[in-house]
Amino acid sequence: GAGVSQSPRYKVAKRGQDVALRCDPISGHVSLFWYQQALGQGPEFLTYFQNEAQLDKSGLPSDRFFAERPEGSVSTLKIQRTQQEDSAVYLCASSPTVLNEKLFFGSGTQLSVL
Amino acid sequence: DQQVKQNSPSLSVQEGRISILNCDYTNSMFDYFLWYKKYPAEGPTFLISISSIKDKNEDGRFTVFLNKSAKHLSLHIVPSQPGDSAVYFCASQNSNYQLIWGAGTKLIIKP
Repeated sequence: GAGVSQSPRYKVAKRGQDVALRCDPISGHVSLFWYQQALGQGPEFLTYFQNEAQLDKSGLPSDRFFAERPEGSVSTLKIQRTQQEDSAVYLCASSPTVLNEKLFFGSGTQLSVL
Repeated sequence: DQQVKQNSPSLSVQEGRISILNCDYTNSMFDYFLWYKKYPAEGPTFLISISSIKDKNEDGRFTVFLNKSAKHLSLHIVPSQPGDSAVYFCASQNSNYQLIWGAGTKLIIKP
């Protein structure tokens, strides 16, 4: 499997619970993105990594959202004290170069906060 | 403030005919546009792109047209096939990494 892998595929959380979403990008890909997609909408940018450096986190909705990519490969998106409005599909994408002309997406993690 | 708009939530086309999906944008500084295709329970996959220095880009059955003066682009699929049934997203790249996405158009190809 050479594609972008995300886990878990589905996550149900109780309001107030912390969650961690994992992304395994394609090996060797420099760029990594996290997007949030609400039902019936296009993906919305959350954050961007170039190798291990988080170059832009302007799309993170609040300080409850935190992302890391410590070794420049696997990334984790953590949401603390989840709220109902956090319910969405979280998509991870990677790109082989910093030009980012073409992104490769994982299948996403569908988060439902009850 | 939607900078990229896809005004048709869905489109139904007969197999073998042409499918035309439309997209409008508001920011004249956008210089690179992409179309992604998404099947249920999968992530979007890249389909075709166009730079603002061109007005047309073709790849097999897929052609994207860009009208900069109207801030409008369209994706033509001809002939349409059942496997083309999916949600199509238009996106604009406004920097070397940020994509602004439309809400998507669900294309249904009828046999």
